[in-house]
Amino acid sequence: ELKVEQNPLFLSMQEEKNYTIYCNYSTTSDRLYWYRQDPGKSLESLFVLLSNGAVKQEGRLMASLDTKARLSTLHITAAVHDLSATYFCAVDNFAGKSTFGDGTTLTVKP
Amino acid sequence: EAQVTQNPRYLITVTGKKLTVTCSQNMNHEYMSWYRQDPGLGLRQIYYSMNVEVTDKGDVPEGYKVSRKEKRNFPLILESPSPNQTSLYFCASSLGIDRVAGYTFGSGTRLTVV
Repeated sequence: ELKVEQNPLFLSMQEEKNYTIYCNYSTTSDRLYWYRQDPGKSLESLFVLLSNGAVKQEGRLMASLDTKARLSTLHITAAVHDLSATYFCAVDNFAGKSTFGDGTTLTVKP
Repeated sequence: EAQVTQNPRYLITVTGKKLTVTCSQNMNHEYMSWYRQDPGLGLRQIYYSMNVEVTDKGDVPEGYKVSRKEKRNFPLILESPSPNQTSLYFCASSLGIDRVAGYTFGSGTRLTVV
């Protein structure tokens, strides 16, 4: 059974500081995704990581993938209030099965 | 506008009364999937479909049915809803499981079974 673990589950951040969310998964997977969910809203796709060493960046967010360690990280640079949301990582395989982590709720405070 | 449309957005029903939550996408996506989201449990996959007439169970399929008769539609059917199916449901689609793309999610359906 594929398991996906995120940590921390809750993160209170100060503006302008840097932080990292970790996503571990239990078995070999084909793709890793990062999504953002604002309160009461749907999920928005942020990144798709396909191969070992893949790195993608969008604004203050950077995601990376280490398939050997079965670890992905979402790094937040110089946090701002607009980044407050819940972030999910998810993995799937070519057979269509997908598994999500429990989510990390970020709160950015002045 | 490219989107995944779910209906209804909110639904309160009674135990045992059959209901259907519709999901439609206008992007010609091959892959579609249903999830439920419960506090502290993230999203759990209910059923998914790789293409028309092809459906498979996810992690929590008990009490649910789906069908994929057309590419654009993927309804979720609760034949006899129970209170433990009270949840927030999301439909999602993507071009295809072998392509490089994140999923597009619908707006969600908040279901309460009393």
